[in-house]
Amino acid sequence: QKEVEQNSGPLSVPEGAIASLNCTYSDRGSQSFFWYRQYSGKSPELIMFIYSNGDKEDGRFTAQLNKASQYVSLLIRDSQPSDSATYLCAVLLGYSTLTFGKGTMLLVSP
Amino acid sequence: EAQVTQNPRYLITVTGKKLTVTCSQNMNHEYMSWYRQDPGLGLRQIYYSMNVEVTDKGDVPEGYKVSRKEKRNFPLILESPSPNQTSLYFCASRITGANTEAFFGQGTRLTVV
Repeated sequence: QKEVEQNSGPLSVPEGAIASLNCTYSDRGSQSFFWYRQYSGKSPELIMFIYSNGDKEDGRFTAQLNKASQYVSLLIRDSQPSDSATYLCAVLLGYSTLTFGKGTMLLVSP
Repeated sequence: EAQVTQNPRYLITVTGKKLTVTCSQNMNHEYMSWYRQDPGLGLRQIYYSMNVEVTDKGDVPEGYKVSRKEKRNFPLILESPSPNQTSLYFCASRITGANTEAFFGQGTRLTVV
């Protein structure tokens, strides 16, 4: 069974701090890894994806992938109150199905 | 504008009354899927389609049907809705491939009483 695990949170950080969101997955054949942000009642929107071991940076966001440990993370630098949302980790196995974790709620306090 | 459009956005219906939620995308994507999202359970895939006339069950297909007669449309059909199908539903589409983004519709909040 494909599983994607995330801590449900909430993860609370003060404005300006670094938020660290973590995700583990069970299927070693997983190829690509996605981070989505979802505001309450809204549709998920892609932040970034990663498929190679190591770090990938995009603005204030850094995704980290460690396939040996089956672990992917998202770092948000200089967190802003507008970053408060639920962050969904998604894993692609093969070329079709995205499996989502249950999400981590992030709260950034001013 | 590239988008996935779902209709209706909100729907309240009664148990047993057949309904269809439409989904249309204008990006010529091969792959389309339906998810339901429930508190504490996250996004769970209902059905997916890899191309026209090709559909397959996801993780929670019971009580749902889909069809893919055209590439752009992927309707979700509830033949006999029940209260446990009250949920937030999302349609998504993407190009079939390893590193391609899934685009989501705006969501349909369904309540079955």
